[in-house]
Amino acid sequence: NAGVTQTPKFQVLKTGQSMTLQCAQDMNHNSMYWYRQDPGMGLRLIYYSASEGTTDKGEVPNGYNVSRLNKREFSLRLESAAPSQTSVYFCASSEQGAGNTIYFGEGSWLTVV
Amino acid sequence: AQSVAQPEDQVNVAEGNPLTVKCTYSVSGNPYLFWYVQYPNRGLQFLLKYITGDNLVKGSYGFEAEFNKSQTSFHLKKPSALVSDSALYFCAARDSNYQLIWGAGTKLIIKP
Repeated sequence: NAGVTQTPKFQVLKTGQSMTLQCAQDMNHNSMYWYRQDPGMGLRLIYYSASEGTTDKGEVPNGYNVSRLNKREFSLRLESAAPSQTSVYFCASSEQGAGNTIYFGEGSWLTVV
Repeated sequence: AQSVAQPEDQVNVAEGNPLTVKCTYSVSGNPYLFWYVQYPNRGLQFLLKYITGDNLVKGSYGFEAEFNKSQTSFHLKKPSALVSDSALYFCAARDSNYQLIWGAGTKLIIKP
């Protein structure tokens, strides 16, 4: 019953370093998402992929890139990490359609020093 | 602009008392509304949703929510609160582009 799995759980980066957050879902969902959560700001969408082979910018895409590797996997890359990217990152997935539920991973805590 | 508001940053309730966590929305078209719960250092868990039909929606852990179209509200309720209900609660609504608009979250504290 894995659902949405994301790695790593915790990461500390130095400013300017790069890293990739990995995400995989086993629910055969078409759509996948990357959110960041910051205190007092709720959830903000970084990028999403409505279906395999497509990706689109969300509310806060600057400083990030994504890859929809296949239907199961959707990775988020920070090319040159900045302290402003210190946050908790959540991957999520859903079937397409307005009424479908989004299911979340357990989160990745990223600190950029 | 489309938006979701959770007017209370924090709600305090005594164990055993009824609880309400408020949510109002502003989206175009038919609203699709969701409630999620987040326990400390965990991901968001789906509680319930309103798509169409009965205005009272029942969900996980004894929670329910009432859709009120005239007041554009979707308040989360539970008849008798448990200490284990203490968590962060998020309301969300689908916008016309099918993306979820999130409220800022309400911290629910249930005191023994």
